[in-house]
Amino acid sequence: GEDVEQSLFLSVREGDSSVINCTYTDSSSTYLYWYKQEPGAGLQLLTYIFSNMDMKQDQRLTVLLNKKDKHLSLRIADTQTGDSAIYFCAESIREDFNKFYFGSGTKLNVKP
Amino acid sequence: NAGVTQTPKFQVLKTGQSMTLQCAQDMNHNSMYWYRQDPGMGLRLIYYSASEGTTDKGEVPNGYNVSRLNKREFSLRLESAAPSQTSVYFCATYRGAEAFFGQGTRLTVV
Repeated sequence: GEDVEQSLFLSVREGDSSVINCTYTDSSSTYLYWYKQEPGAGLQLLTYIFSNMDMKQDQRLTVLLNKKDKHLSLRIADTQTGDSAIYFCAESIREDFNKFYFGSGTKLNVKP
Repeated sequence: NAGVTQTPKFQVLKTGQSMTLQCAQDMNHNSMYWYRQDPGMGLRLIYYSASEGTTDKGEVPNGYNVSRLNKREFSLRLESAAPSQTSVYFCATYRGAEAFFGQGTRLTVV
């Protein structure tokens, strides 16, 4: 399978920006995703980006993709306590669209 | 419109018992998946069904069986539960580039 890796923890203060990083193995025609999981809940899709894009912005969320380094990041501007959750990076591949490969998740802790 | 519904939400089994986790979706999607989530390991694919009538193994299929009963329903069966199957199980369905997840089933095998 594909390898998707993330750091396990991130702690920020309320109002600061959070940057969550992810690395992935290279495949053609790949979609890359960010999911959010709050305690006791399922996964909620935040945003996704196609591998031929460099950046995608959606309100407080900015996704940056560095294809050369196979690096994906999620920036959350003006982080709030409600953003505290686990964030999963995931990849799917056109040739195998039915399979998603998830990272281990980054637990974001937002301090008031 | 409930999306993806899983039952039960919680279950405790004794080693060797069997059970079936149920999943239903009302999104009229072809693809359905079963994942397990373990601490520090993200989600791992157990089985998936690309369309009604087909099922395929994922990364960690051992100890599980699945049935795609119809387009709406995809069940996961543990024939003889083991403590290593203690996990949170997620059902998902897929459309285009997006996957939609159920709320999860927290299973403990003692």
